[in-house]
Amino acid sequence: QMQLVESGGGVVQLGRSLSLSCAASGFTFSNYPIHWVRQAPGKGLEWVALISYDGNNKYYADSVKGRFTISRDNSKNTLYLQMNSLRTEDTAVYYCAQNSWLPFFYFYSMDVWGQGTTVTVSS
Amino acid sequence: QSALTQPASVSGSPGQSITISCTGTSSDVGAYNYVSWYQQHPGKAPKLMIYDVTNRPSGVSNRFSGSKSGNTASLTISGLQAEDEADYYCSSYSSSSTEVFGTGTKVTVL
Repeated sequence: QMQLVESGGGVVQLGRSLSLSCAASGFTFSNYPIHWVRQAPGKGLEWVALISYDGNNKYYADSVKGRFTISRDNSKNTLYLQMNSLRTEDTAVYYCAQNSWLPFFYFYSMDVWGQGTTVTVSS
Repeated sequence: QSALTQPASVSGSPGQSITISCTGTSSDVGAYNYVSWYQQHPGKAPKLMIYDVTNRPSGVSNRFSGSKSGNTASLTISGLQAEDEADYYCSSYSSSSTEVFGTGTKVTVL
């Protein structure tokens, strides 16, 4: 069974950095693109970034472009999100998510989600 | 990368049908049949309910159905049940090589 588990969230000061991880299990991680999606308190879902199955292609929302970096280590079955120059508006629950039945296809519906990790940026 | 537009709330009585709209542009909803719908209960991760505009993943009730006309996609829940009370989000692939979510709709079962 495919499973995603996020970690690394916490409280961080304005302008500082934080790195999130997403550990995958139950499937061939290296075959699947994977997303980061976030949700600010009381707000809707916001797509953050996508990385291709091989890590060679990365896509970002305008709101995080130039500040966040998505990466993956297929040998460790782990996805990362390096967040720099954090702003108060980055406060959110961060989810990793992916599609389970269409390997290699970049943008597709997300049927596997982690439980989320909470990032709070304090001023 | 503007969010797709959904009504803030929709309500219905048990057994009734409700429809949630999701309006985008010719660069996202109108351009691709990659519209998905997600259900989210409080404190939980989203759950995929519809993909590729009209398809239901295995295990999702056939009370949920999707459609699209032009730049607007729709999710219909028929035979409304108490357990359907949740937030619902649409999403679409966009020509800017991004994914865009809707603003979200709170469904209330009266």
